[in-house]
Amino acid sequence: NAGVIQTPRHKVTGKGQEATLWCEPISGHSAVFWYRQTIVQGLEFLTYFRNQAPIDDSGMPKERFSAQMPNQSHSTLKIQSTQPQDSAVYLCASSWTGDSYEQYFGPGTRLTVL
Amino acid sequence: GDSVTQTEGQVALSEEDFLTIHCNYSASGYPALFWYVQYPGEGPQFLFRASRDKEKGSSRGFEATYNKEATSFHLQKASVQESDSAVYYCALTDTNAYKVIFGKGTHLHVLP
Repeated sequence: NAGVIQTPRHKVTGKGQEATLWCEPISGHSAVFWYRQTIVQGLEFLTYFRNQAPIDDSGMPKERFSAQMPNQSHSTLKIQSTQPQDSAVYLCASSWTGDSYEQYFGPGTRLTVL
Repeated sequence: GDSVTQTEGQVALSEEDFLTIHCNYSASGYPALFWYVQYPGEGPQFLFRASRDKEKGSSRGFEATYNKEATSFHLQKASVQESDSAVYYCALTDTNAYKVIFGKGTHLHVLP
């Protein structure tokens, strides 16, 4: 079992450019989560999918962030018109059902917006 | 809203010292409580969980007991090793049962 896979591991974009981050959850896990990690804010919940359906996106900045899960083997987080304050490590996690079960995290994608 | 407070931002110990990292929570319901550990360049790793009052979770020599009255879930280890150096996060699931709320983390440095 390879664990949760995230690509790319590092991404550098210029201000105003688009960034797409990819996540492959553990096979068999029905729940997928996205988090953002910064020194100042720590780990922040962004969004949650269960059986590919979006359940909760309450942590997503509304205007430029979007997430999709087109099939059970991958999810994407897209940030349009990136800003320097979007610089962070974006973590994807998966779990068996989502309800009070432990989450398995990927290594994260470090996004740097210049 | 629900929250988790970790008192110590940094802890420095020598090998074989006793470790306590304090965690207190505030929640409207009856949350599940977790400890995660994060090593440099990696995502957080699940350490253990507890779901009800007085339940003890444990793994790799670490343990914590769910204390509903004190709203606490303090992490302890009897004898730390240099390899335990990492950031430790206390967390809970909120009333939705899927959203995990993390504390700010405690950076443990163990000196050889």
